[in-house]
Amino acid sequence: DGGITQSPKYLFRKEGQNVTLSCEQNLNHDAMYWYRQDPGQGLRLIYYSQIVNDFQKGDIAEGYSVSREKKESFPLTVTSAQKNPTAFYLCASSFTVGTEAFFGQGTRLTVV
Amino acid sequence: QKEVEQDPGPLSVPEGAIVSLNCTYSNSAFQYFMWYRQYSRKGPELLMYTYSSGNKEDGRFTAQVDKSSKYISLFIRDSQPSDSATYLCAMSENSGGSNYKLTFGKGTLLTVNP
Repeated sequence: DGGITQSPKYLFRKEGQNVTLSCEQNLNHDAMYWYRQDPGQGLRLIYYSQIVNDFQKGDIAEGYSVSREKKESFPLTVTSAQKNPTAFYLCASSFTVGTEAFFGQGTRLTVV
Repeated sequence: QKEVEQDPGPLSVPEGAIVSLNCTYSNSAFQYFMWYRQYSRKGPELLMYTYSSGNKEDGRFTAQVDKSSKYISLFIRDSQPSDSATYLCAMSENSGGSNYKLTFGKGTLLTVNP
């Protein structure tokens, strides 16, 4: 089945630790995105990548880092510099930037 | 004024009703319009997308775009309890160009009561 796989579904970390969220797609899409969703705030763009070995900051990139070494994979690291990391994180992909995006099922990160 | 405005609801309707969900936008450069459905604690699911003004129909769903009024709508006919979810509109200026951004509305929470 084609789609986007995010893992894990739930993640718990202690404050001050870095954590990496996985996102893999087999849709052969060039563009990939990371969004954060908080209650009442809608979807906010963290980073996006148009092509392998390239990525750009979104609206709320501070405290996050990404890599795009393979077309299929776009992992997100939430660093200790992110002040409010507890949130629902969504990965998405599309053929090119700006076209209809397909989402994974999300990772709920809780930092205690 | 926010780029995309969407009434958060909540909207509650009886089963079988016709539902109308709407978004307004301020950026006249938006060309691509999408609707997503998101169940609680799940990722958004693409329902429909369109690149032009007018209507697009898919089963019980109809997407309508009025670029002159900067207004888009999603109609759900014969609504079912399984349609209960948050509906998000999204739009962008172009594909592959300098504007990467899909701009989302904040979503409308819909409940269809049996």
